[in-house]
Amino acid sequence: SQELEQSPQSLIVQEGKNLTINCTSSKTLYGLYWYKQKYGEGLIFLMMLQKGGEEKSHEKITAKLDEKKQQSSLHITASQPSHAGIYLCGAAPGGSNYKLTFGKGTLLTVNP
Amino acid sequence: DADVTQTPRNRITKTGKRIMLECSQTKGHDRMYWYRQDPGLGLRLIYYSFDVKDINKGEISDGYSVSRQAQAKFSLSLESAIPNQTALYFCATSDFRGEQFFGPGTRLTVL
Repeated sequence: SQELEQSPQSLIVQEGKNLTINCTSSKTLYGLYWYKQKYGEGLIFLMMLQKGGEEKSHEKITAKLDEKKQQSSLHITASQPSHAGIYLCGAAPGGSNYKLTFGKGTLLTVNP
Repeated sequence: DADVTQTPRNRITKTGKRIMLECSQTKGHDRMYWYRQDPGLGLRLIYYSFDVKDINKGEISDGYSVSRQAQAKFSLSLESAIPNQTALYFCATSDFRGEQFFGPGTRLTVL
């Protein structure tokens, strides 16, 4: 089965700082999804990456999938308290796009 | 109104009781999913359904059952709840493109 390892497990940054969260897969990623979760709440979809080398941005968040399609990174520029939460990466095995496996998440705290 | 709703939002029950968690969606998606989230273990898939007549077990289906009453409704049952089923439960939906939309979650405590 596909396993996703996220690093770091938790991160505390000062408002305004940049940060990066990584998601590494034991197998080739055919679809990589990034979600954000506020503590105890539902997951909010951020971005999906499918192609090697693909990069997508939304506001101050940029996600990339490496050429080998085994690692993805999520980069936040000039972090704000509103970015705080748990970031999870998810991936589907093989060429399917359902039955997602998720990483354990990265807890981000942004101090004002 | 929210696209994916879950009821109840919180539930405390006792060991051995039967519990049903309900999920409704207005997104018109065919695919629906139930996950549980535990600290340190992340999200794990319990069951998923492609349509009313197509229901499949996920990673951790033991002790759970589901019912897809309609395209928009997918319920999760714990026939005889036990304390290690205490968790945050999420329902999700998706279309053929795969992006999953999650409900707000149900926090279940089994005493």
